[in-house]
Amino acid sequence: EAEVAQSPRYKITEKSQAVAFWCDPISGHATLYWYRQILGQGPELLVQFQDESVVDDSQLPKDRFSAERLKGVDSTLKIQPAELGDSAMYLCASTLGGSSYNEQFFGPGTRLTVL
Amino acid sequence: GQQVMQIPQYQHVQEGEDFTTYCNSSTTLSNIQWYKQRPGGHPVFLIQLVKSGEVKKQKRLTFQFGEAKKNSSLHITATQTTDVGTYFCAGQDTTDSWGKLQFGAGTQVVVTP
Repeated sequence: EAEVAQSPRYKITEKSQAVAFWCDPISGHATLYWYRQILGQGPELLVQFQDESVVDDSQLPKDRFSAERLKGVDSTLKIQPAELGDSAMYLCASTLGGSSYNEQFFGPGTRLTVL
Repeated sequence: GQQVMQIPQYQHVQEGEDFTTYCNSSTTLSNIQWYKQRPGGHPVFLIQLVKSGEVKKQKRLTFQFGEAKKNSSLHITATQTTDVGTYFCAGQDTTDSWGKLQFGAGTQVVVTP
């Protein structure tokens, strides 16, 4: 069964350092989402891609966060510099696209700890 | 902006009992989805509701979409230890055409044998 891949699974960094997360969606999925999930809360959308284009990044802290999906396949989310409040689970999800009524398939996530 | 609220935040259930968790949106939804996240895991899709008043069943789980398409509920009968996890509802606003979901904070379910 096809799955969304994410790496690394865990990342510990010191504040002010740069971190990057990678996501490979299910093959053929045009829509890719990056979420942040703080412990005890639901996933919060950071950025949404349709193919290689950003369609929603209204909740992305653009002073320190950036995301790209250059070839419309895999994607990278970067934080520079990391702050203590960035400690969270970062989830990637993908859907087929072409319709807004699609289930989202989530990857295992990257748990970030900022010291 | 759109807000999705879930109650209760925590649900302790004795094995074999029934319970219901509720989801309310501040705006009218085009559809609502439910996800389950096991401890240490990632959200997994359970079901999607699209029509006003729609009711769907999956074994012991019954999902309902409100007539006004602003609320939903999940009812679990004869709870089992395998039902442990956090259940999230996620709604898509009628003004969105890109499939953006607003997740609630979830109901964390603990089952006592």
